[in-house]
Formats: sequence, C-alpha cells, structure tokens
Amino acid sequence: QQQVRQSSQSLTVWEGETAILNCSYENSAFDYFPWYQQFPGEGPALLIAIRSVSDKKEDGRFTIFFNKREKNLSLHIKDSQPGDSATYFCAASVWGNMGYKLTFGTGTSLLVDP
Amino acid sequence: NSKVIQTPRYLVKGQGQKAKMRCIPEKGHPVVFWYQQNKNNEFKFLINFQNQEVLQQIDMTEKRFSAECPSNSPCSLEIQSSEAGDSALYLCASPGGAETLYFGSGTRLTVL
Repeated sequence: QQQVRQSSQSLTVWEGETAILNCSYENSAFDYFPWYQQFPGEGPALLIAIRSVSDKKEDGRFTIFFNKREKNLSLHIKDSQPGDSATYFCAASVWGNMGYKLTFGTGTSLLVDP
Repeated sequence: NSKVIQTPRYLVKGQGQKAKMRCIPEKGHPVVFWYQQNKNNEFKFLINFQNQEVLQQIDMTEKRFSAECPSNSPCSLEIQSSEAGDSALYLCASPGGAETLYFGSGTRLTVL
C-alpha cells in the first residue's frame, strides 16, 4: 500500500501561473516532509521541506501548505517558469533510531508551457 | 546543495554479471543510504549504514546486494548476479542536517 500518494502523475501549466502539486500520506507518525525536484538524468534535489508542527513553509516562489488533520500537503510554485519543468516528489520521514529513512511518492511530472 | 558523488553515471551489464557502483558521501559523512528508483519512479530503500556497519537492509539486498564503506575509500553497492529487474537508477544519499537526505546524480544500471 502506498504510504505517500501524489494525486497527479502529470500537470501542465502556463508560464506565470501557479502550479499546485498535491500529496497525501497514511502514517500519522510521519513528522517531516521534504519535496524533491528531479530533472532527467539527475538525482533528486531537495527543494523545500516542512515539519509537522507547521502548517506553511515558504521559500521564494515555493510554498508548502500542510494539513495534519487531513494528512495532506501541497506544493505551490508561484510564477511558474519553463525551467521549473521537472518531476516533483513528495517524501515523508519518521525520525527514529535508523535515522533519515524516507518514503517517497511516485512523483508529479510538471510541464510549464512558455 | 549536495555534493554526493556517484560513479559511474551509466553501467551496462549482462544477466548474471556483477555490477558495482560507487559513492563518495557528503563531506565524508559516516551515514550512507542506497535507494533504487525504477522506471515507474518508485523509490525502494535498499540499505543504509554508518561507517562500516550495516544499519538496515531489505531482504532483497541480503541475498544479492552488498554494500560497504571502507575507511578512506568510496562507499560501494554491488549486485552479485544482475537480473533484468535490477535495471534502474541507483541513488546514494547522505544526511545534510534536519531529517532529510541529499542525493547524488545516480548510477543508471541497464541489465541486458
């Protein structure tokens, strides 16, 4: 069973629009939620992350909205640019004695049309 | 961002052959993770260890996969006898603060 679920496999927006990528999770013990951006041929790169004690995290054009009660979160990309076209992975972790083990969603492929 | 270095970028092997890939973790960090990312973008945790000690690994890795991080040498992941289903992107990662991981660019393994 998918522990972290991303509702859209792909998303297309026009340049300048806000892209909204959704994610939900099953395990209430998850307490840290990073989003990774991956370009073809590269490894995933950390984009922005939020802890479960917060409901919003902003970094430039990127914002995470987090709803602990509903067990979902979303990544908003404001003023989308063609260079934002990539696959975005929502991930979750539980801090434990094994450290930083992450559970990933299967990604949303974002295309920003110029 | 991360400076986890993985080599080679691409690896092509025949079924039954050994496949070995290497990783230099972030600033010589003692904790290293290996993940497999398949063509469906599913990430599978394989193994992690601290210094030379395996902390956790899945059943798959216990049988055909081995990993090590010798002191003063790159970490490595080796598949003893490659199978077609092993074709994937293999990612090495090390912690960079908080509870998250920084990944290398990966080794793309193709098993013919």
